[in-house]
Amino acid sequence: QVQLEQSGPQLKKPGASVRISCMTSGFTFTSYTLHWLRQAPGQKFEWLGWVNPGNGNTKYSQKFQARVTITADTSANTVHMDLTSLQSQDTAVYFCARDGPWYGSELDFWGQGTLVTVSS
Amino acid sequence: EIVLTQSPGTLSLSPGESATLSCRASQTVGGNYIAWYQQKGGQPPKLLIYGASRRAPGIADRFSGSGSETDFSLTISGLEPEDFAVYVCQFHGPALTFGGGTTVEIK
Repeated sequence: QVQLEQSGPQLKKPGASVRISCMTSGFTFTSYTLHWLRQAPGQKFEWLGWVNPGNGNTKYSQKFQARVTITADTSANTVHMDLTSLQSQDTAVYFCARDGPWYGSELDFWGQGTLVTVSS
Repeated sequence: EIVLTQSPGTLSLSPGESATLSCRASQTVGGNYIAWYQQKGGQPPKLLIYGASRRAPGIADRFSGSGSETDFSLTISGLEPEDFAVYVCQFHGPALTFGGGTTVEIK
């Protein structure tokens, strides 16, 4: 069965960087685009970007383009999301999610979420 | 960027009643690229509907989506106890955006 397992919660100081990993199984890793999103308390979901593990192509939200890097490790069926220059407003639950096989960018499987807390 | 506005913010209903949730886009959504998700506390969202009206695999047929251009809706026909949750719409185009969610609560 399709599974996306994310790394654990992290506490970071302002100005630091964070890396979150998403280990996948149950499907052909190189055949599906994987997205990163976040949900801050009381806020809408925000999309950060995606990676196509098949060719390494990425696309980022304009809002996060300068601070986010998404990579895919095909040897480990894992995607990573790095976010730099963290501020308190980056405190959120971060999710990886798989592109659905139909229209594209409908998200059919999600990781469990990773809480990132930014605090001095 | 397509901005999605959901209404109402909260819907208070009893089991067995039907719910109609609205998602309005700031501009025409080409290809009807609207998805709906159900989210329960502390869990990731669950895909219900994509392409405005297509049910995801395994989703009960009491969930239906409709709409076009800028106005979309999710209908739950006959609420079951497990349906009380937050529902979020999403534009699943080149730059994903989400609505603010509608909470369906037990009256």
